[in-house]
Amino acid sequence: DQQVKQNSPSLSVQEGRISILNCDYTNSMFDYFLWYKKYPAEGPTFLISISSIKDKNEDGRFTVFLNKSAKHLSLHIVPSQPGDSAVYFCAALEPDNNDMRFGAGTRLTVKP
Amino acid sequence: NAGVMQNPRHLVRRRGQEARLRCSPMKGHSHVYWYRQLPEEGLKFMVYLQKENIIDESGMPKERFSAEFPKEGPSILRIQQVVRGDSAAYFCASSPNLREGYTFGSGTRLTVV
Repeated sequence: DQQVKQNSPSLSVQEGRISILNCDYTNSMFDYFLWYKKYPAEGPTFLISISSIKDKNEDGRFTVFLNKSAKHLSLHIVPSQPGDSAVYFCAALEPDNNDMRFGAGTRLTVKP
Repeated sequence: NAGVMQNPRHLVRRRGQEARLRCSPMKGHSHVYWYRQLPEEGLKFMVYLQKENIIDESGMPKERFSAEFPKEGPSILRIQQVVRGDSAAYFCASSPNLREGYTFGSGTRLTVV
């Protein structure tokens, strides 16, 4: 039962351009969403989050957009840098529930 | 603060042996989560524990897998009679309380031969 879906296993963009990573969810009870970044042989690290009461959250080069009616969120990275090359996981939480559900991840490659 | 510590980093077991994976949460964190990442797949939730309690084990296989988080010492994920399909990276995360972001460890890569 995949409640959080990342349908693009990989994405390649040119340095300086925008990277857009997408995530869809099926559970309408989710009210908090997070993006994690993972380098090889390391654990995921928190990147940015958004509550369901918002539709946008920005932190430097990273912006997360939430479309509740479409059950869709996206992560925008602009401008993309080679150091952004990693696997990005979308995750979601229900209210009063602490165990996160993750998507399958999208491998981003930023080419110099 | 050393972060979330997992050991061993790599573990090789023969089929039928037991695997024990350890996780020491960050200081002050009382919530521990275990996730499994199979090759070419995302992170799959396994179990959520607080000290001496299993809160949610809905992601744990019903047989051979168990987890504990004792009053003293690290959290342990135990896999009995391992099979080749158990080969994966197992990640532990901790958080101080509900809704705080997780901090992940570097994972234990289990290989069953």
